[in-house]
Amino acid sequence: DVKVTQSSRYLVKRTGEKVFLECVQDMDHENMFWYRQDPGLGLRLIYFSYDVKMKEKGDIPEGYSVSREKKERFSLILESASTNQTSMYLCASSMDRGNEQYFGPGTRLTVT
Amino acid sequence: GENVEQHPSTLSVQEGDSAVIKCTYSDSASNYFPWYKQELGKRPQLIIDIRSNVGEKKDQRIAVTLNKTAKHFSLHITETQPEDSAVYFCADGGEGQNFVFGPGTRLSVLP
Repeated sequence: DVKVTQSSRYLVKRTGEKVFLECVQDMDHENMFWYRQDPGLGLRLIYFSYDVKMKEKGDIPEGYSVSREKKERFSLILESASTNQTSMYLCASSMDRGNEQYFGPGTRLTVT
Repeated sequence: GENVEQHPSTLSVQEGDSAVIKCTYSDSASNYFPWYKQELGKRPQLIIDIRSNVGEKKDQRIAVTLNKTAKHFSLHITETQPEDSAVYFCADGGEGQNFVFGPGTRLSVLP
C-alpha cells in the first residue's frame, strides 16, 4: 500500500519567514509533485521531480523552490513567505508520469 | 496552455438519484483520464480512470465515459449515498505528461 506522508498537517508562519514543507513516499516512486489547492482553482502544479536531484517548474513556481536529495523525499521551500501563499499544499508521487498519482494528507499553511 | 474545464462546480442530489460530472480538455495528446475524490479534510484518492483506447469503464456504482472526438469525459455515480458527498476532481494526463486538474465539483447527497 502506497504511503505518502507530509511533515505537518497545519503550519502558521509569519510574512518573510523561510518555510520548509517535507514529503516522503515509501514506494520507490520516480516522480514526485507539489501542488497547491485553492477553492475553485483545483490543484495547481508548483514543481515536480522525475529523479533525484532533478526538478522542473510547474505552472506556478514563482516564490517557491524545491529540493530532492533522496529518492523518497521531496521538499518545498518558500524562501520568504507571503500572505498570498496561504493555502493547502499537497504532495504526490507516481511510478510513471501521466499515470496514477498518490497524494499525501496535505499541509494547510497560513501566513500572517 | 492546456486547460481542463469541469461542470458543474456544485451539485446537490437526493440520496438514491444519479449524479453526472463532465470535464472537457484541450490537449489532443492526452490519453489518460483519472477521477479523484476528496472527502472533507482528507487527501484526494483515485476512484476510477480511463484510457483513450476505451469509451467506457464501470466499477460498481461509478462509471466514466470518454468521447475523444469531442474531448470530453464524464463521471457517472448511480444510486448515490451520503458517503458519496465530497469534492471530485477530473484530470487529464498521458505518458510523459503531467496532470492538469479541473477546478473540482462539490457533490452533496441529501438524505
